[in-house]
Amino acid sequence: DIQMTQSPSSLSASVGDRVTITCRASQGVSNYLAWYQQKPGKVPKLLIYAASTLQSGVPSRFSGSGSGTDFTLTISSLQPEDVATYYCQKYYSAPFTFGPGTTVDIK
Amino acid sequence: EVLLVESGGGLVKPGGSLRLSCAASGFTFSNTWMSWVRQAPGKGLEWVGRIKSKTDGGTTDSAAPVKGRFTISRDDSKNTLSLQMNSLKTEDTAVYYCTTGGGSESDYWGQGTLVTVSS
Repeated sequence: DIQMTQSPSSLSASVGDRVTITCRASQGVSNYLAWYQQKPGKVPKLLIYAASTLQSGVPSRFSGSGSGTDFTLTISSLQPEDVATYYCQKYYSAPFTFGPGTTVDIK
Repeated sequence: EVLLVESGGGLVKPGGSLRLSCAASGFTFSNTWMSWVRQAPGKGLEWVGRIKSKTDGGTTDSAAPVKGRFTISRDDSKNTLSLQMNSLKTEDTAVYYCTTGGGSESDYWGQGTLVTVSS
């Protein structure tokens, strides 16, 4: 099975900072990669699918890139409401494994 | 409006069984591949399994930790997704989410139902 890793596992940044989270697959998954945001105590929310397509209603400060094995989620200007844990998930083939998550908070 | 409402969670002893349901509305359920995702307390998201639409074969896939113990099914006449969980273990304790997508991104999620496996 394909394994998903994320780095860093957590980060602390200031409001307005550019934040980048990396997701790596142990084998190529083409662009079958999604990013989710889960705020504390809330249900996960889809941010990006097909590696770089922004889900409707998601602020444009979020962006995704990558293909194959290496992917990034970027928040161009971190906002207080972006405090959350971010997960990548591959859906190239079952099992549709999630990454372990990256927790983002405000410095 | 898409709505997914899980039910059936609760406290069960190790080795016991539980059946979760997910009532779907606001979209064409019969055409939609569906998934179950769980989250143990304080832990990350874990994909449990998926079921394809009947027109695409209605087949299922499950994660290794639940294979042979959990069964996913669907009743398109009632717009309901189910998860039959047998031989439950303490490590199955989690919030279980029903989601759309089972070969694509999960764009809609239910609120989740808590399953606690404890003696």
